[in-house]
Amino acid sequence: EVQLLESGGGLVQPGGSLRLSCAASGFRFSTYAMNWVRQAPGKGLEWVSGISGNGGSTYYADSVKGRFTISRDNSKNTLYLQMNSLRAEDTAVYYCAKPLTGYYYFDNWGQGTLVTVSS
Amino acid sequence: ETVLTQSPATLSLSPTERATLSCRASQSVSTYLAWYQKKPGQPPRLLIYDASKRATGIPARFSGSGSGTDFTLTISSLEPEDFAVYYCQQRSNWGFGQGTKLEIK
Repeated sequence: EVQLLESGGGLVQPGGSLRLSCAASGFRFSTYAMNWVRQAPGKGLEWVSGISGNGGSTYYADSVKGRFTISRDNSKNTLYLQMNSLRAEDTAVYYCAKPLTGYYYFDNWGQGTLVTVSS
Repeated sequence: ETVLTQSPATLSLSPTERATLSCRASQSVSTYLAWYQKKPGQPPRLLIYDASKRATGIPARFSGSGSGTDFTLTISSLEPEDFAVYYCQQRSNWGFGQGTKLEIK
């Protein structure tokens, strides 16, 4: 059974940093691209970032480019999101998501971790 | 950049009624479109991918259609558990539509 478990969320001041983790199990982690998707309170879903299976290619939404860094450790089956220069508008539940085999759509999601940016 | 626009923003229906949700792309996405269901406190659930393929475990009352720029998610007979927010997503830059809230009338 595929399991994705996010951690690392919390309260941080504007301009601060936070690192999210997503521990994966139940599938061959290194063979899947992985993604982060967020949902701000009362808002819709927003794709944030993605990374290829070997970590060689990374992708970012314009809203986080230059501030967030996605990475992975395939030896630990873990996905990361380093978030710097955080803003109030980054407040959201952050989900890690695994794509459907052979496709770009997300069929497995974690339960999410809440990031709150506030002074 | 392809932008997805969903309509209506809110749809008020009763159980057993038929629901029709629309998603329009600003440029052709072929059939590379998915639909998700989102309930409060839960992660999104993939319903439909490649415009018309049902994901594993999704009931047959959910169906998707369309190609190019116009897509439809149809729920043939609403069950109480179907009231939620629905999002479409396209493949090229993983962008989502703004969502349609399906509420009980």
